[in-house]
Amino acid sequence: GEDVEQSLFLSVREGDSSVINCTYTDSSSTYLYWYKQEPGAGLQLLTYIFSNMDMKQDQRLTVLLNKKDKHLSLRIADTQTGDSAIYFCAEPTMDSNYQLIWGAGTKLIIKP
Amino acid sequence: DTEVTQTPKHLVMGMTNKKSLKCEQHMGHRAMYWYKQKAKKPPELMFVYSYEKLSINESVPSRFSPECPNSSLLNLHLHALQPEDSALYLCASSQDREASGANVLTFGAGSRLTVL
Repeated sequence: GEDVEQSLFLSVREGDSSVINCTYTDSSSTYLYWYKQEPGAGLQLLTYIFSNMDMKQDQRLTVLLNKKDKHLSLRIADTQTGDSAIYFCAEPTMDSNYQLIWGAGTKLIIKP
Repeated sequence: DTEVTQTPKHLVMGMTNKKSLKCEQHMGHRAMYWYKQKAKKPPELMFVYSYEKLSINESVPSRFSPECPNSSLLNLHLHALQPEDSALYLCASSQDREASGANVLTFGAGSRLTVL
């Protein structure tokens, strides 16, 4: 079946780069998404990538897509305490663009 | 206005109560969603409205009843809930990209529901 997998935790030092990884199963997905959820808040879109791209950069964020391995990563440069959050990757289901398959979420912990 | 507004932020109700959660957006989005999120878990889709018509119902128990009075408003009516229904209920909206294109969701801050 369709599945999206992420590791549950990532701990990095302030100022270092964070790399959050995600693997997915549906190779027909046209878009893949990264959402961020801060404590006590709703989710907000960080970025998304179209499947014909290998990389997308937006300020401190870099998304890499390896379609062959079905691997998606989110790199956050110069990680700050404000980046502490849970990061979810998601892809649409085969049936509907409305329905997303969500990863379990990676909690990013920043050490001073 | 680029926000989705949810009220109330917190709700405590007994198992025999009837209450409603409300959601509003003025971005001209034509798709609106209800999600349920348990602690430390990803959100689970409950309902999708597209152009004010119920498009997806993810086999949600009938004690949850959605309503879309117009393109800007979405309600979730709650009746005879169980303690296990306690969760964060998130509303979201999107421009409606059923067929193609990125379907970017804008989420509200959520309504935290506790059922006693």
